[in-house]
Amino acid sequence: EAQVTQNPRYLITVTGKKLTVTCSQNMNHEYMSWYRQDPGLGLRQIYYSMNVEVTDKGDVPEGYKVSRKEKRNFPLILESPSPNQTSLYFCASSLRQPTNYGYTFGSGTRLTVV
Amino acid sequence: TQLLEQSPQFLSIQEGENLTVYCNSSSVFSSLQWYRQEPGEGPVLLVTVVTGGEVKKLKRLTFQFGDARKDSSLHITAAQPGDTGLYLCAGKYGNKLVFGAGTILRVKS
Repeated sequence: EAQVTQNPRYLITVTGKKLTVTCSQNMNHEYMSWYRQDPGLGLRQIYYSMNVEVTDKGDVPEGYKVSRKEKRNFPLILESPSPNQTSLYFCASSLRQPTNYGYTFGSGTRLTVV
Repeated sequence: TQLLEQSPQFLSIQEGENLTVYCNSSSVFSSLQWYRQEPGEGPVLLVTVVTGGEVKKLKRLTFQFGDARKDSSLHITAAQPGDTGLYLCAGKYGNKLVFGAGTILRVKS
């Protein structure tokens, strides 16, 4: 089944404790992206990658890191999480530019930072 | 200020009713996508509209792109409880995809 898999689904952590949210897609998509979703603000792009070893900042990149060493994986790293990073996070992939092809989204990771 | 404004923010209706939700902007979009997000899941792409005035139908859902490509609407005929979810529009603005905040639809049986 074609899908985007992200883990974990739920995570509660403490301020300052480094964490990684994994994302993997099995569709050979070139483009991958991370979004956060907050009530009233919609989906905001954190980082994106147009291909292996190519990443770039989205609209809200502060406090996050990403890497794209393989085409299928695009982990999101929070080096020192803070409470304002409490949110619902989505990984998404697209064959190429999502403006033309649309996104396939993962099921989301609900992160709480206390 | 959101580049894409969606209205209404919330809509609660009875099964069988018709409804329309809107996606508006002061900017022109090259194309526009509609997604539905069910509780506990990620958004799923429903349709992409590209041409001003374009109308696309997906079973009971009718999508329209405004003539000036600044607005779009989604009309649902005879809503069912399975239509419950968050409806998001996303517009191509330059080389970026910009999302609206969404309309939460609840269909009661």
